[in-house]
Amino acid sequence: DIQMTQSPASLSASLEEIVTITCQASQDIGNWLAWYQQKPGKSPQLLIHSATSLADGIPSRFSGSRSGTQYSLKISRLQVEDTGIYYCLQRYSNPRTFGGGTKLELK
Amino acid sequence: QVQLQQSGAELVKPGSSVKISCKASGYTFTSYDMHWIKQQPGNGLEWIGWIYPGNGNTKYNQKFNGKATLTADKSSSTAYMQLSSLTSEDSAVYFCARGDYYSGFFDYWGQGVMVTVSS
Repeated sequence: DIQMTQSPASLSASLEEIVTITCQASQDIGNWLAWYQQKPGKSPQLLIHSATSLADGIPSRFSGSRSGTQYSLKISRLQVEDTGIYYCLQRYSNPRTFGGGTKLELK
Repeated sequence: QVQLQQSGAELVKPGSSVKISCKASGYTFTSYDMHWIKQQPGNGLEWIGWIYPGNGNTKYNQKFNGKATLTADKSSSTAYMQLSSLTSEDSAVYFCARGDYYSGFFDYWGQGVMVTVSS
């Protein structure tokens, strides 16, 4: 199985701050990576797919990038509504695997 | 608009089985994969498997072989997951999620079903 190592596990940041979350894949997965945001008691919401493509209706302050087998989600100016838990997901091979999650809070 | 409406919470006894549903609307049910994902309380997400309702093909995470069985009813646009031989480790929220036609990523999710295994 492909392991997705996500960091940091938790993060506290201020409004308008730039936030970066990363996922390291245990092997090459190409661009087959997505990012999700989950709020308490809700289902995850797709933010980024194919490593860098913004999902429909997602604000442009969210962006994704790739460097080799390391993937990053960047929030350019943190807003109140961006708090929650973020997960990466690889769909390069079965079983699909998620990162362990990053809990993002406001400072 | 695309909607995935899941069945209600379940309280079940150890050793029993449970079948949860996911009713799709707003798109052609038979043209998209339906995936199932497990989330234990306070834990991350785990992919269980998918079914292609168009022909009933399935693919499972090996970890869930023998535990989960995925089916789909084209006439009612409803996907089902049966979980068998339940233990406390199966207590979790279970989501259904549609696989996007082009990217394959999960673009729409159900609201989740809480399954509690307790005597």
